[in-house]
Amino acid sequence: KNEVEQSPQNLTAQEGEFITINCSYSVGISALHWLQQHPGGGIVSLFMLSSGKKKHGRLIATINIQEKHSSLHITASHPRDSAVYICAVSPLNYGGSQGNLIFGKGTKLSVKP
Amino acid sequence: DTGVSQDPRHKITKRGQNVTFRCDPISEHNRLYWYRQTLGQGPEFLTYFQNEAQLEKSRLLSDRFSAERPKGSFSTLEIQRTEQGDSAMYLCASSFSDQPQHFGDGTRLSIL
Repeated sequence: KNEVEQSPQNLTAQEGEFITINCSYSVGISALHWLQQHPGGGIVSLFMLSSGKKKHGRLIATINIQEKHSSLHITASHPRDSAVYICAVSPLNYGGSQGNLIFGKGTKLSVKP
Repeated sequence: DTGVSQDPRHKITKRGQNVTFRCDPISEHNRLYWYRQTLGQGPEFLTYFQNEAQLEKSRLLSDRFSAERPKGSFSTLEIQRTEQGDSAMYLCASSFSDQPQHFGDGTRLSIL
């Protein structure tokens, strides 16, 4: 079983829809990350969070440490949001520092106009 | 903002050859990470440096793989005696301490 599980694997939405991507993890963490990867490989960090909720534009990330679960929400989705969204965790080691990341397999999002 | 730069973007080589990739991190970042990503999978951690010290290596990093960051700036990842299974995207990232990592565009390696 992977230490970081994402659902769904693939998601197709119509422009304007509210989107939720889920992430569950099984290890102790110091932080959880949401990343966006476009075709061709480039990865962009969207959020890094260790508690509560963060918002940036139309993107919202939440985390429940007790339940070891995080969600990424996209409001008013747009075709330019089409990408792979990856959840990753910084496992607790080296006194809690971000020594490495453990990644989920990603959720491929396609937003149709 | 120059970002994280990786060279080359693509590398095609024959099985058994040695390859070397370079990563130039964002200049003020003290940490540098290497990851490997195969098709349809999330990236997998290989190794990371804090300044010039290699602090952690994944068990994925067999003895055919070696990484260096000699002056605490750029880093190289070398794969010796390449095998078919080494075909992947090799990603480099950098960060300042525990801040979010910034990723390069990756080097795609294809083994013939």
